[in-house]
Amino acid sequence: DTGVSQDPRHKITKRGQNVTFRCDPISEHNRLYWYRQTLGQGPEFLTYFQNEAQLEKSRLLSDRFSAERPKGSFSTLEIQRTEQGDSAMYLCASTAGNGYTFGSGTRLTVV
Amino acid sequence: DQQVKQNSPSLSVQEGRISILNCDYTNSMFDYFLWYKKYPAEGPTFLISISSIKDKNEDGRFTVFLNKSAKHLSLHIVPSQPGDSAVYFCAASALGNNAGNMLTFGGGTRLMVKP
Repeated sequence: DTGVSQDPRHKITKRGQNVTFRCDPISEHNRLYWYRQTLGQGPEFLTYFQNEAQLEKSRLLSDRFSAERPKGSFSTLEIQRTEQGDSAMYLCASTAGNGYTFGSGTRLTVV
Repeated sequence: DQQVKQNSPSLSVQEGRISILNCDYTNSMFDYFLWYKKYPAEGPTFLISISSIKDKNEDGRFTVFLNKSAKHLSLHIVPSQPGDSAVYFCAASALGNNAGNMLTFGGGTRLMVKP
């Protein structure tokens, strides 16, 4: 297993466009998390899944943000009508217990 | 309201000396604490953790100390090596919360170890 994989690594989009990021967790990990990291800050929790169930989504930043994990394996994070303030690193992590394994992230730049 | 704070944005240490990174928290429900290390263009990598039932955990050159009464933890790296140069994040969680071990991170401390 190669760890947590995120795609794309970088995304540049125009304001108002929709973007979707993908995360492939470690295969035996049933929990999957999305975090956002802005410059000079630590990662900020967005949402998490246990298998295919999204058990916490109140921390998603607005209704423009949504996430899915349809078969309990990979997950997608979608941002609709992107704004410049959405520019950040979006990190995915997975775990089967207390220790997370993070992916390398998707860096989003909204111009 | 920042529940986990790392008040030193950067720290510079000579190779071979001790690096001490500090972290303070405000939420008394936190009962599990972790340190992550992050290189540029990579995700955070788990380094060491400590449960609130302990006050010290050691793993090789890395030791984490927890002072629950002061709501303070620190990471000691000794001896420091140039490869330790990275951003270090302190994180905390409240086991059994509804957000499945959601981590609350501090803002990070950039450690530079000079040869």
